[in-house]
Amino acid sequence: EAGVAQSPRYKIIEKRQSVAFWCNPISGHATLYWYQQILGQGPKLLIQFQNNGVVDDSQLPKDRFSAERLKGVDSTLKIQPAKLEDSAVYLCASSPKPGGETQYFGPGTRLLVL
Amino acid sequence: AQSVTQLDSHVSVSEGTPVLLRCNYSSSYSPSLFWYVQHPNKGLQLLLKYTSAATLVKGINGFEAEFKKSETSFHLTKPSAHMSDAAEYFCVVSVYGNKLVFGAGTILRVKS
Repeated sequence: EAGVAQSPRYKIIEKRQSVAFWCNPISGHATLYWYQQILGQGPKLLIQFQNNGVVDDSQLPKDRFSAERLKGVDSTLKIQPAKLEDSAVYLCASSPKPGGETQYFGPGTRLLVL
Repeated sequence: AQSVTQLDSHVSVSEGTPVLLRCNYSSSYSPSLFWYVQHPNKGLQLLLKYTSAATLVKGINGFEAEFKKSETSFHLTKPSAHMSDAAEYFCVVSVYGNKLVFGAGTILRVKS
């Protein structure tokens, strides 16, 4: 079974530029999550999708971050414009059933904002 | 609010000696607790989870954790460390059934 795929693996941009990350969850997983992991900290949930609907985006900085999950499969997370403090690893995870506690994580995208 | 505190940011052990990574939790009800491991440049992998069944939970790669309600602890142990165990370990609590709240992580170093 293929795992959660993410691209790109690394990205370097300058502040005020925009960037997008892509995630393809495990086939058949209804729930998809985006996390932000700042160096030295544990991952923090940004947004949770159930199929193509948003379940929880309470910690998403909506003035600059946006995410979508068209057709309830893969997802894109965008930052526009980026700030220095957005430098982090962005992790995507998926869960096999609605509300499922076991989450399967992708390798992450490491973002550096200069 | 549900949260976890990992008591050590770094732990160093010699190969073949026991591993103990400490985690305390805070929860207003019976929690679901997890340990995840993160190897460099790899995704987070579930080691084990506790969901109110047996208090001693066995996971992959010889790890286990014991849920102690009286101490609000969920420490991770392994009898004998291997070089491949070197990684960062996260204690995690589940909120509202599916929202994961991560601890700050413990980096495990294994010396040869």
